[in-house]
Amino acid sequence: DQQVKQNSPSLSVQEGRISILNCDYTNSMFDYFLWYKKYPAEGPTFLISISSIKDKNEDGRFTVFLNKSAKHLSLHIVPSQPGDSAVYFCAASVGSGGSNYKLTFGKGTLLTVNP
Amino acid sequence: DTEVTQTPKHLVMGMTNKKSLKCEQHMGHRAMYWYKQKAKKPPELMFVYSYEKLSINESVPSRFSPECPNSSLLNLHLHALQPEDSALYLCASSSMAPGSYTFGSGTRLTVV
Repeated sequence: DQQVKQNSPSLSVQEGRISILNCDYTNSMFDYFLWYKKYPAEGPTFLISISSIKDKNEDGRFTVFLNKSAKHLSLHIVPSQPGDSAVYFCAASVGSGGSNYKLTFGKGTLLTVNP
Repeated sequence: DTEVTQTPKHLVMGMTNKKSLKCEQHMGHRAMYWYKQKAKKPPELMFVYSYEKLSINESVPSRFSPECPNSSLLNLHLHALQPEDSALYLCASSSMAPGSYTFGSGTRLTVV
């Protein structure tokens, strides 16, 4: 049973436009959510996170929105740049750190930003 | 130092070989993890070490044997692997701080 779902395997946008990547979760115990970016042959790189006590977190061009009632979060990238082309993983956890802390990942969305 | 370093980057091994993957971090993180990632799939948790003790084993076959010699090092010993074990093996570490979860670049393992 997949507890974190990214239903769009791929997304293509024009440079300068907004990229919106979506993620849904089913486990209501999850209270911390993260987005990771991954280039081929590299490990995932942390981008941005949000706690369930918030509905928005912003860091530069990246904003994550959380809708707890819908169990849905999204990552907005504005403006999109060709260097943003990568696989984006949504991850969720119970708590935000400490012993036995583990992340549950979605399958990822391949973002392609065209010049 | 804000990195998790994994060696080797690539490894090809036969089904009768014994090899080890190594992971090192100097961020003072007391939790360390092994993940396995197959192509077009998300990373899947294998093991969690907390304060150098194994705290989670996600029903991983015994041909994978983790070891945490000290708070900075994590090894994954491999023996009698199958071709389907070919994957990217990722190490990660974390502290109590939110967002501290850091991944290494991984070891690309091919079993022939």
